[in-house]
Amino acid sequence: GAVVSQHPSRVICKSGTSVKIECRSLDFQATTMFWYRQFPKQSLMLMATSNEGSKATYEQGVEKDKFLINHASLTLSTLTVTSAHPEDSSFYICSALVSGNQPQHFGDGTRLSIL
Amino acid sequence: DQQVKQNSPSLSVQEGRISILNCDYTNSMFDYFLWYKKYPAEGPTFLISISSIKDKNEDGRFTVFLNKSAKHLSLHIVPSQPGDSAVYFCAASANSYNFNKFYFGSGTKLNVKP
Repeated sequence: GAVVSQHPSRVICKSGTSVKIECRSLDFQATTMFWYRQFPKQSLMLMATSNEGSKATYEQGVEKDKFLINHASLTLSTLTVTSAHPEDSSFYICSALVSGNQPQHFGDGTRLSIL
Repeated sequence: DQQVKQNSPSLSVQEGRISILNCDYTNSMFDYFLWYKKYPAEGPTFLISISSIKDKNEDGRFTVFLNKSAKHLSLHIVPSQPGDSAVYFCAASANSYNFNKFYFGSGTKLNVKP
């Protein structure tokens, strides 16, 4: 149980393109979903927290107009990187949570490469 | 400010021996702690957790120890197997503070040699 599916696993696109990444909880309803970014050899950096039906809460330094998050249902959250540039190239990972004092369950990540 | 720290970026252990991964935290509000395992190009996989009301939690070969006074937790893997080679992240959260937000350490890369 507790499977989180993230799609696509890899994206390569030109600078200026907008990219949408989907995160789905397959066998449970997630009250909260999280979006992380991981730079090489570094820890997971939380970008934003989203609750179904409400606006995402962004961490300091994360541009909300750049990284659009939509959490339309209890099983789906999307991250759209708008007008992506090479510095946005990174490994993006989502996670989903049922309730407090429970583990977050992670997707397999999306490797985004902007040329 | 890094609230959760893993000071050892890497650890090498012989197969069959014990692996001990360490983690320190600064925020006394944290009351829930977890360890995740991560392979390259994959998302982290949950391993084991512990609530602050306990000082030890065991699951098979994995045991997590929590020392609240020292703000320190550790993960013991016994016996270590080559398949345990991965990056291990510790994480912490506080119900009463930034509910549901997990703070991650920078990870320790474990290499178990056959």
